Amino acid sequence: EVQLVESGGGLVQPGGSLRLSCAASGFTFSSYAMSWVRQAPGKGLEWVSAISGSGGSTYYADSVKGRFTISRDNSKNTLYLQMNSLRAEDTAVYYCAKGPAVTTSRDVWGKGTTVTVSS
Amino acid sequence: QSVLTQPPSVSAAPGQKVTISCSGSSSNIGNNYVSWYQQLPGTAPKLLIYENNKRPSGIPDRFSGSKSGTSATLGITGLQTGDEADYYCGTWDSSLSAGGFGGGTKLTVL
Repeated sequence: EVQLVESGGGLVQPGGSLRLSCAASGFTFSSYAMSWVRQAPGKGLEWVSAISGSGGSTYYADSVKGRFTISRDNSKNTLYLQMNSLRAEDTAVYYCAKGPAVTTSRDVWGKGTTVTVSS
Repeated sequence: QSVLTQPPSVSAAPGQKVTISCSGSSSNIGNNYVSWYQQLPGTAPKLLIYENNKRPSGIPDRFSGSKSGTSATLGITGLQTGDEADYYCGTWDSSLSAGGFGGGTKLTVL
């Protein structure tokens, strides 16, 4: 069974850092692009970042560019999102999602991990 | 501000048909595939349609997708109360080199 499990969320003060992880299983992890998508409370989906299967290409939303870094360890079947200089507006549920390619659909989603940025 | 534009809400009676529109531009919908997602309350999004009009295994043929120019449409026939959810369109924007979603449409089955 294809499965994605996010972890690493929590409460952090403005300006702080957090690293999210997404453990993948049930598919050949290195063959697929991966994405992070977030959803602020009561709001819609917001694409955050994506990475190619090899990890050689990365993409970011303007809202997080320069503050967030996406990476992956294909030997550990794990996706990461390093979040620095966090702001209140980064408060959201963060989902990792699998897609055949960076530019196409996301066919499997994790259940999400909650990040709250507050003093 | 979402890259794609969707109506905030639509509604229809059980058994009826509803369509949800998604409007974009030449840099996103016009030159990239569109996908559609269903998000039931309190759950993660689920892929309904990929590559404009294809259904993943397990998605009933009551759900359909189409694309024309810089717009896309999700159609749902034989509405059921279990279809009440938020629906999002998604695509890639070649100018921004970034993904994007519509603002979401809340479907109410009256």
